[in-house]
Amino acid sequence: SQQGEEDPQALSIQEGENATMNCSYKTSINNLQWYRQNSGRGLVHLILIRSNEREKHSGRLRVTLDTSKKSSSLLITASRAADTASYFCATDGGSRLTFGEGTQLTVNP
Amino acid sequence: GAVVSQHPSWVICKSGTSVKIECRSLDFQATTMFWYRQFPKQSLMLMATSNEGSKATYEQGVEKDKFLINHASLTLSTLTVTSAHPEDSSFYICSAEGGGALTDTQYFGPGTRLTVL
Repeated sequence: SQQGEEDPQALSIQEGENATMNCSYKTSINNLQWYRQNSGRGLVHLILIRSNEREKHSGRLRVTLDTSKKSSSLLITASRAADTASYFCATDGGSRLTFGEGTQLTVNP
Repeated sequence: GAVVSQHPSWVICKSGTSVKIECRSLDFQATTMFWYRQFPKQSLMLMATSNEGSKATYEQGVEKDKFLINHASLTLSTLTVTSAHPEDSSFYICSAEGGGALTDTQYFGPGTRLTVL
């Protein structure tokens, strides 16, 4: 079964607004990763945050990790129509990635 | 860097035939490759993990005789769907994990859309 649970399942915002997606997991992890998937395409790696890190930035992306609550969030600032995609968190427990159910983000121009 | 390709990008076949999907790491050596299946509007489900030169490790519920995986070199893994049936229609995605600075991150191929008639 999938370890990661993401919310919301779907998010629709206007261009320029910020988008926040959350991910919760159940077991201990080495790291947590966020991926983007455009419709019918493969996954693009966005950012990796290790279990001893609390926050990480990459361009317009900000990821936080709270291991005590077993949760992570992905913030996309100043969203663009091109950010429209599905976003998945994936936890790495050491031998494999376990993907969450994903959040479908729609950024309206 | 860290590009993974898949071939073909889509395939349509008749029920009962076998289909081979290739996954290549183009600019790095992949110590481990993974095969996932994704149904529409769902998440990725890991099917198997393969290391070069050894047998693949299949996830529970995945038939190893139906989904044959060969990882003959550090840059190529193949997935063969044998005697395909309509329920095998899905999006198959591979990923590759390298060594050194590429450890801990899986780089994904663009996926292969399989439709079995």
